[in-house]
Amino acid sequence: SQQGEEDPQALSIQEGENATMNCSYKTSINNLQWYRQNSGRGLVHLILIRSNEREKHSGRLRVTLDTSKKSSSLLITASRAADTASYFCATDEIDNDMRFGAGTRLTVKP
Amino acid sequence: EAGVAQSPRYKIIEKRQSVAFWCNPISGHATLYWYQQILGQGPKLLIQFQNNGVVDDSQLPKDRFSAERLKGVDSTLKIQPAKLEDSAVYLCASSYQGGPLHFGNGTRLTVT
Repeated sequence: SQQGEEDPQALSIQEGENATMNCSYKTSINNLQWYRQNSGRGLVHLILIRSNEREKHSGRLRVTLDTSKKSSSLLITASRAADTASYFCATDEIDNDMRFGAGTRLTVKP
Repeated sequence: EAGVAQSPRYKIIEKRQSVAFWCNPISGHATLYWYQQILGQGPKLLIQFQNNGVVDDSQLPKDRFSAERLKGVDSTLKIQPAKLEDSAVYLCASSYQGGPLHFGNGTRLTVT
């Protein structure tokens, strides 16, 4: 069964705009990770945030984690056409394995 | 470093036939995962190995799917016999000491 639930399922924006994707989960976690998947390729790790962290940055990416609400958000600033991909959150569950959500399909129009 | 290698890239078989996928993880990565990704969905874990031992295979349909990781390095996933609903991309991933997963490009299986 899948753990994370991404929202929205699909997002379409113009180049230069910011994109925000959300992830909710159900159980206690060690960490939460975000991955990107381009069409026809494997997933690529973007960023990992541990359960005791609240915010993390990597380049144009900003991730927040609220363990009390069991939710996380991924913000991509100043989006580019090359950011077009599917984005997945994955939860590293305590006493369990890594579970992925169904993903958000992001389209960035040039 | 070389990435996770998977083969074949594509496979088309008829239902009730058998098929095998191969994965070579990144050197030194003790943990290896097989995921099934149906079109439009997120990856679903089938089996997780730590070295050559199985950590989790709770979602592996054991009546038709089998996997092994001899010598704790490369791994094979087999389906016998295949069903139409097995059409999916089969992704292999590896990780080092609980770190992020590194994925291969997957094998796209079509069962007709």
